[in-house]
Formats: sequence, C-alpha cells, structure tokens
Amino acid sequence: ILNVEQSPQSLHVQEGDSTNFTCSFPSSNFYALHWYRWETAKSPEALFVMTLNGDEKKKGRISATLNTKEGYSYLYIKGSQPEDSATYLCAFISGGFKTIFGAGTRLFVKA
Amino acid sequence: DAGVIQSPRHEVTEMGQEVTLRCKPISGHNSLFWYRQTMMRGLELLIYFNNNVPIDDSGMPEDRFSAKMPNASFSTLKIQPSEPRDSAVYFCASSINTGELFFGEGSRLTVL
Repeated sequence: ILNVEQSPQSLHVQEGDSTNFTCSFPSSNFYALHWYRWETAKSPEALFVMTLNGDEKKKGRISATLNTKEGYSYLYIKGSQPEDSATYLCAFISGGFKTIFGAGTRLFVKA
Repeated sequence: DAGVIQSPRHEVTEMGQEVTLRCKPISGHNSLFWYRQTMMRGLELLIYFNNNVPIDDSGMPEDRFSAKMPNASFSTLKIQPSEPRDSAVYFCASSINTGELFFGEGSRLTVL
C-alpha cells in the first residue's frame, strides 16, 4: 500500500503571511513527486515536477523542496494572497507510472 | 490543444442503470488515468493505462466497474449496475509517461 500523507489538512492565514505544508511519501521505489494546485470547481493543475533528491523548484512566490531519502517534500508560499486559496495536492509516482495523490492541504488566505 | 476532454460533464441516473463515462486524452500522451473524487477519500486512483494497456486496476472498487482504452485517443469507464455510493466526480487525466498530469474537467455522477 502506497501512503502519501499531507499536512496540515487545512490552513487559514492572513494576506501577506508566508506558509508551508508537507507531503510525506514512501522513500523506496521513488520515481517522481508532483505538486498540483486545485481551485474549487476547476481541475488540478501542475505546479512542480520533482525527480532528484535535493531538488528545489520555484515559480513566483511558490517554491518546493524534495528529500527522497527521508520521503518528504515541502511547499512554501511567500506573502500569501487571496488568489492563492486552493487545495494543494502532492502526487507520488513510483516505478511503473502509478501516481498516487495525497489528500491535499486546503489553504484559505484572508484579505 | 483542447486538453483532456471528458463527457458527460454531469450525469444523473437511477440505481441499477449503466453509466458510461468517456475521455479523450491529449494527443501524444501515452498514459491515461481515471480518478474518483469523494469527500471521504479525496482523489482516488481507479485505473491507469500506458500505451493503451491497463497497468494497474487495483483501485477499481469492484466488478461493477470496468475501463477500456481501445485506442490512443479514447477511453471509457463503465459502471454497471450503478449504486448511490458511486456518486462522485470522476476525473480523467493524461500524461507523457511520468510527466505532469493534465486533467479533464471531470464528470459529476449522481446515482439516485
């Protein structure tokens, strides 16, 4: 059974706050780790595709790190804005293309 | 590119009826995934195909569910007979091997 866990389940922050959340995944049979952003009434959209231990990726105010040896990835949002409100999903890809999603962290940013 | 296309967007049916959901992946993508979204379980992988071949269907809930991919541009997910607990949003996604997934807009199924 592949367990992909995300924490916290939900997060309420004020506009301007920086925040981060965690994705934990199996440290064996790792192939890739994806982060997705999912807005209400839309479909998930990819933020980052991460494959190498120690990877750091950045897109605007959002960045992510990857530790495949210990099985975790962090997503950081600097200076949160109301439009950042969404569910952030991580997906663990094992050898053989199986893509398992975590339950997501639901972020609410209050203006 | 039009993206991943799913149909129908919404379906309301009665218990016991057959339901067929359809998906057209992005041209050139060789992996296709069917996910079910529920409040309890989030995004749950049902089955995925690589080069039209089912690789892992261990997520398919039971024999009432079946999926096919007769060619690179079309896949179906069928539920027969449908039950109220099958009510959910069903997402299809495609990718190039293990690259990022591109999702369709989902098919919202309600079984009365």
